Amino acid sequence: DAGVTQSPTHLIKTRGQHVTLRCSPISGHKSVSWYQQVLGQGPQFIFQYYEKEERGRGNFPDRFSARQFPNYSSELNVNALLLGDSALYLCASSLWASYSTDTQYFGPGTRLTVL
Amino acid sequence: AQRVTQPEKLLSVFKGAPVELKCNYSYSGSPELFWYVQYSRQRLQLLLRHISRESIKGFTADLNKGETSFHLKKPFAQEEDSAMYYCALKGSQGNLIFGKGTKLSVKP
Repeated sequence: DAGVTQSPTHLIKTRGQHVTLRCSPISGHKSVSWYQQVLGQGPQFIFQYYEKEERGRGNFPDRFSARQFPNYSSELNVNALLLGDSALYLCASSLWASYSTDTQYFGPGTRLTVL
Repeated sequence: AQRVTQPEKLLSVFKGAPVELKCNYSYSGSPELFWYVQYSRQRLQLLLRHISRESIKGFTADLNKGETSFHLKKPFAQEEDSAMYYCALKGSQGNLIFGKGTKLSVKP
């Protein structure tokens, strides 16, 4: 298993544009979480999806949205991009949504640059 | 408030020296704490979690509820331990709340 995969690896957009980031979880994992990591900071939680339903949301504006598909892959969408959205976007998958014994496995991330 | 604080941005030690990476947390209730590590050009990966009470790569971490701390320790640092270390707390939504990270540099 290749682990969690994310695409694209890098992306450059201009202010006001829209972006879609994609994530494929580890086979058998039903939960996907998205994190934003700004340079010099730790990852910050954006969304968690489990069995195609939103199970958690961080403190991000409505410009950020996500969904999970029947095959458990996920998309993160960001509308009306701002310069401050430039960051590394991480996807993490886990078997379940929130059990304490569950481990979140991270993908390599998508580096988004907004000009 | 649910928060993780890692007071040191950078920690530099010599090979063979003891290492302690500090982590303090704020959480009402029973916390679940983790240490994640990111080696150069690799993805973020779990190093250890407090419920397992295990030692991974010689690292241990003990949860101290009185001091609200979960410091990561290793008695003898190796050059291959050089990496970015993040302390994380499981939040009420099942999400991970990360500290800002500590860069560990082990010099030969």
